Amino acid sequence: SQQGEEDPQALSIQEGENATMNCSYKTSINNLQWYRQNSGRGLVHLILIRSNEREKHSGRLRVTLDTSKKSSSLLITASRAADTASYFCATGGGNKLTFGTGTQLKVEL
Amino acid sequence: GAVVSQHPSWVICKSGTSVKIECRSLDFQATTMFWYRQFPKQSLMLMATSNEGSKATYEQGVEKDKFLINHASLTLSTLTVTSAHPEDSSFYICSASPLDGANVLTFGAGSRLTVL
Repeated sequence: SQQGEEDPQALSIQEGENATMNCSYKTSINNLQWYRQNSGRGLVHLILIRSNEREKHSGRLRVTLDTSKKSSSLLITASRAADTASYFCATGGGNKLTFGTGTQLKVEL
Repeated sequence: GAVVSQHPSWVICKSGTSVKIECRSLDFQATTMFWYRQFPKQSLMLMATSNEGSKATYEQGVEKDKFLINHASLTLSTLTVTSAHPEDSSFYICSASPLDGANVLTFGAGSRLTVL
């Protein structure tokens, strides 16, 4: 079963806008990761946030973590058409990850 | 950075045949590799954990006789779909992490299997 659920399932925005996607999980975690998947390709690691962190930035990405609510959000600022992909949150330990249901982001010109 | 190569990227086979998919870590060693299955527009489902030099650990509901996993070296794991049927058609993805494992996985590009 999937540890995480993400919403929205699909998101369509215009280039330049910000995109926010959310992930909820069920059990306690040591860290939470976000991955990106282009259509028909493997996943690429974006960012890892530890359970004792509340916010983390990497370029145009901003991730928040609220362990009391068992939720995380990924914000992509100033989106580009090249950001079009599916985004997954993942939790787990020992490299054995469980992935959320994913958000399909489409950025239109 | 760490690179995982997966081959073939796509394969079409007849029902009843077996198909082997390779997963190689190109610039690092991995005692553990993971195999996932992904249906269209869905998330990744972990099938099994491939352990170098020992038997793979399968997730509940995954038939180990159907999906044979071999991890003969620190850089290669193979998944063989035996006696494939149309319902085995899917996208199979492997992943691995360097031995100093920071809990961050590197994924192969995936293999699209179509069974006719």
